Amino acid sequence: DTAVSQTPKYLVTQMGNDKSIKCEQNLGHDTMYWYKQDSKKFLKIMFSYNNKELIINETVPNRFSPKSPDKAHLNLHINSLELGDSAVYFCASSPQDRGYEQYFGPGTRLTVT
Amino acid sequence: AQSVTQLGSHVSVSEGALVLLRCNYSSSVPPYLFWYVQYPNQGLQLLLKYTSAATLVKGINGFEAEFKKSETSFHLTKPSAHMSDAAEYFCAVSGRRYNTDKLIFGTGTRLQVFP
Repeated sequence: DTAVSQTPKYLVTQMGNDKSIKCEQNLGHDTMYWYKQDSKKFLKIMFSYNNKELIINETVPNRFSPKSPDKAHLNLHINSLELGDSAVYFCASSPQDRGYEQYFGPGTRLTVT
Repeated sequence: AQSVTQLGSHVSVSEGALVLLRCNYSSSVPPYLFWYVQYPNQGLQLLLKYTSAATLVKGINGFEAEFKKSETSFHLTKPSAHMSDAAEYFCAVSGRRYNTDKLIFGTGTRLQVFP
């Protein structure tokens, strides 16, 4: 009964490959997010979706493409992976109303070799 | 523009001592403020949040924070540290008049607790 789940938890791949990370929330929330945490633990938002509509795109390279098939799912596809993409990627969700906290998934640790 | 500054990337305390983690924010609109904790190899868990209802906010695990507008601060405290409090702590801000609730995080403070 995990609230926000992500798969896979670990992802090791080579430069140039294409990979996807999946996120699902069972909280009934309207808004979902992707955050990137770098090696220095710095967290930065990448995207947010509200009811399947893209709301935020924070100057993320075009190689990153989020897709939301329904409001409970937000997937992240990454093309032509680069060494600098190595990081922990967190999915989060929140109700649409303002001021509610975001619930985070356990993270996906992506290592590009 | 909004930002958060966490003073001290590392804080060390003895078990039973006071924990004080500092957070200062900058926001052109009334802010929502949050403290999250991240245990090793885990996701972020909300400790507490400020949304203007009360300036002293109590959270989980005995933590609390006080919103001080005059000092633009939202410091996190706990009277008595426990070994299990060792983790990374993040302060975050979001804007109340913007159309979205994106969180802007500080750089984090690693709390170490010594026996």
